[in-house]
Amino acid sequence: GAVVSQHPSRVICKSGTSVKIECRSLDFQATTMFWYRQFPKQSLMLMATSNEGSKATYEQGVEKDKFLINHASLTLSTLTVTSAHPEDSSFYICSASQGGTEAFFGQGTRLTVV
Amino acid sequence: AQSVTQLDSHVSVSEGTPVLLRCNYSSSYSPSLFWYVQHPNKGLQLLLKYTSAATLVKGINGFEAEFKKSETSFHLTKPSAHMSDAAEYFCVVLPGGYNKLIFGAGTRLAVHP
Repeated sequence: GAVVSQHPSRVICKSGTSVKIECRSLDFQATTMFWYRQFPKQSLMLMATSNEGSKATYEQGVEKDKFLINHASLTLSTLTVTSAHPEDSSFYICSASQGGTEAFFGQGTRLTVV
Repeated sequence: AQSVTQLDSHVSVSEGTPVLLRCNYSSSYSPSLFWYVQHPNKGLQLLLKYTSAATLVKGINGFEAEFKKSETSFHLTKPSAHMSDAAEYFCVVLPGGYNKLIFGAGTRLAVHP
């Protein structure tokens, strides 16, 4: 199956700094990428949908200036958590789709803001 | 309205006994349905998917699910649980014509020796 690589798998940053998470489709071109946030023992919450070359579409309640998403190519999307605070600590997961019915998920990134 | 309901937040079984994880969905359009498994601090792995072909779908690791339109259900089963099956399982719906997945709340499966 298709592979989506997410990096880093874990990151610890200081409060007030910014963190970038990468999501790459390794063996296919992803026309659409999705970013999710998962709180402990909860389901995935869709944050935003990004299509290559256009601005991301954010879900209601997600701050676009806080969570910057860039989908510059068909194989790479990035999520930047700006001016991170402890409440941004969470598990972030990306997925990528070729436009069909199946989405392929990255391994997730555990962000801890101290 | 589109929604997914996983009827059990926790399921506990003994190793070697059958597994049943229940899922009901609501979708106005012909949906695609998926079951994903998530191990701690990992991403999601696709177990199986239904996309309007055979209603009984076989997946990896001995799992299977049956799409029952009349009952709007897509329950996940496995004849014999293994210790390595202990994980979080998500039932997911992709309504026809949409590109956003709708996730159930998840079911945590515990497998005891």
